[in-house]
Amino acid sequence: QQQVRQSSQSLTVWEGETAILNCSYENSAFDYFPWYQQFPGEGPALLIAIRSVSDKKEDGRFTIFFNKREKNLSLHIKDSQPGDSATYFCAASERNSGTYQRFGTGTKLQVVP
Amino acid sequence: EAAVTQSPRNKVAVTGGKVTLSCNQTNNHNNMYWYRQDTGHGLRLIHYSYGAGSTEKGDIPDGYKASRPSQENFSLILELATPSQTSVYFCASGDASGGGYAEQFFGPGTRLTVL
Repeated sequence: QQQVRQSSQSLTVWEGETAILNCSYENSAFDYFPWYQQFPGEGPALLIAIRSVSDKKEDGRFTIFFNKREKNLSLHIKDSQPGDSATYFCAASERNSGTYQRFGTGTKLQVVP
Repeated sequence: EAAVTQSPRNKVAVTGGKVTLSCNQTNNHNNMYWYRQDTGHGLRLIHYSYGAGSTEKGDIPDGYKASRPSQENFSLILELATPSQTSVYFCASGDASGGGYAEQFFGPGTRLTVL
C-alpha cells in the first residue's frame, strides 16, 4: 500500500510560473517530510524538508506548505526555471520508529521556456 | 568529497542467473539502503542495514538478499533473476544519529535488465 501519495505523475508549467506539487500521507505518526529532486540519470538528492511542528518551510524559491489536520503538503516552486525540470519525490518518516523514509511515486516537472 | 558509488552502472542478465549489485559509500554512515525505482511506483525499499553485519527487510524483499560486509560496502543479490526484477536500483546512505530525520545520500543508480 502506498503510504505517501503524489497526485500528479507529471506537471508542465511555463518559465516564471509557480509550480505546485502535491503530496498526501496516511500514517499520522509521520513527522518529517523531505522532498527529493532527481535529474535524469542521477540519484535523488534532498531539496528541502519540513517537520510536522511547522506549517511552512522556505528555502529560496522553494516552499513547503504543510497541513497536519488534512495530512497533506505541497511544494511550491516560485519563478520556475527550465533547470528545475526534474522528478520530485515527497517522502515521510518518523523520528523514533526506524530510520528509513517512505517515498511517494514522484511528480515529473517540466518547465517550458 | 563524500559519495555513494554503485557498480555496475548497467547490467544485462539472463533469467535464472545470479546478479550482484555493489554499493560503496565514503560518508562513514552507519545506515545504508537499497531501493528500486519503477514508473508508477516511485522508490521502494528492498533491504537496509544499520551497520556492518546487519541487514533488514524493507517493503519488497522477496527475491532479493543483501550483504553488508563492512561499513563502506552494501550489496544486493538476486540469486535467481526474473524479468520482473528489471528496474533501476539505487543505493543510499544515511547518518544513524539522525534517525528518521536523516538525509539520505543516493548513488547514481544501476540499470538492470533481465532477459
